[in-house]
Amino acid sequence: AQSVTQLGSHVSVSEGALVLLRCNYSSSVPPYLFWYVQYPNQGLQLLLKYTSAATLVKGINGFEAEFKKSETSFHLTKPSAHMSDAAEYFCAVSGGGGNTGKLIFGQGTTLQVKP
Amino acid sequence: EAQVTQNPRYLITVTGKKLTVTCSQNMNHEYMSWYRQDPGLGLRQIYYSMNVEVTDKGDVPEGYKVSRKEKRNFPLILESPSPNQTSLYFCASRWTGANYGYTFGSGTRLTVV
Repeated sequence: AQSVTQLGSHVSVSEGALVLLRCNYSSSVPPYLFWYVQYPNQGLQLLLKYTSAATLVKGINGFEAEFKKSETSFHLTKPSAHMSDAAEYFCAVSGGGGNTGKLIFGQGTTLQVKP
Repeated sequence: EAQVTQNPRYLITVTGKKLTVTCSQNMNHEYMSWYRQDPGLGLRQIYYSMNVEVTDKGDVPEGYKVSRKEKRNFPLILESPSPNQTSLYFCASRWTGANYGYTFGSGTRLTVV
């Protein structure tokens, strides 16, 4: 079985500060890992994904994430927060099983960026 | 433009009145899925389809039906909606293969009173 845990339902940072959103996963098969962002009143947009190539993955809008197998983590970071980064972020895992490619989502983390 | 289109965006209905939420994608994706989003629970899969005429239950299928008669369309049907189905619904599609990311629709906010 697969699962995702996002640590912290709300994260608040100042504009220009480092953004760190935490995600830990559980998977009995090699996982594919994703980060999605949801802006208010919009659908989910893919930020980046890990598919067993490079462990450091770069995505859109300056975000990146590092896959750490030993820690079963896939934390999302951005060196300098911008006001436009305020949104809800979801970590998700997929891979293996009868429902091939089923995405299992974490509970989400709301990022607040203070001026 | 490659996209997943859901309609309607907002819907208020009464308990027991059948409704359909439409979903259409223009990317020729084989795999389509419906999710519901509830506060504190993230997104949970309702139904999915691996291809035309191939559908199966996800994690929370009770009270929902789907069909996949054409590759591009994957409607979600609530035969007798109840208040606990008040939620934000997303349709998504992707290529076959777990390594592909989904493309999501803009969502349908459903309120059942």
